[in-house]
Amino acid sequence: GAGVSQSPSNKVTEKGKDVELRCDPISGHTALYWYRQSLGQGLEFLIYFQGNSAPDKSGLPSDRFSAERTGGSVSTLTIQRTQQEDSAVYLCASSLKGDTQYFGPGTRLTVL
Amino acid sequence: AQSVTQPDIHITVSEGASLELRCNYSYGATPYLFWYVQSPGQGLQLLLKYFSGDTLVQGIKGFEAEFKRSQSSFNLRKPSVHWSDAAEYFCAVGGGGADGLTFGKGTHLIIQP
Repeated sequence: GAGVSQSPSNKVTEKGKDVELRCDPISGHTALYWYRQSLGQGLEFLIYFQGNSAPDKSGLPSDRFSAERTGGSVSTLTIQRTQQEDSAVYLCASSLKGDTQYFGPGTRLTVL
Repeated sequence: AQSVTQPDIHITVSEGASLELRCNYSYGATPYLFWYVQSPGQGLQLLLKYFSGDTLVQGIKGFEAEFKRSQSSFNLRKPSVHWSDAAEYFCAVGGGGADGLTFGKGTHLIIQP
């Protein structure tokens, strides 16, 4: 069946611009996770959704980052006023019961 | 706080030789443990997982891992590696649900012909 999909696969933006990253989870998976992968920090957990609700947003790196999920399916991660340190690969994962996470291919974000 | 240590940043193995990648974790409760593999430019593919029960778990591509609670370890093994196994390997720990995964820094596996 279809796995987790993410779009765009690559995004190049200028410093100060806003970007939106999209994640389509595996159909029927109620749990959704966002991670960031960078050379300096490795893989970092950002935020978790159960359905449309994100109970804890403290993992988001700054208040320029926000995330939402609608209809218990698609999620978007928005970064406002991008900075060069935001350059990274952003990975999304979904899970049926919140145990095993299945990852998408990621979005590579480059901030010039 | 939970943490994962993968002591080997790089490992070089000859094709056909056996492989063991080390993983040590720190977690306050019974952990869920995972090994993922990442090829260049790709996402993370699940190799295997441990939740409970038999401490030796089998995964895809001929990999296995053994959970040793007394050593807080979850080492990954393969009896005979193939050139296609060259990739980055990540060990991860979590509690499920809202508890996102904590990853190690990864081990880069190089296969020599």
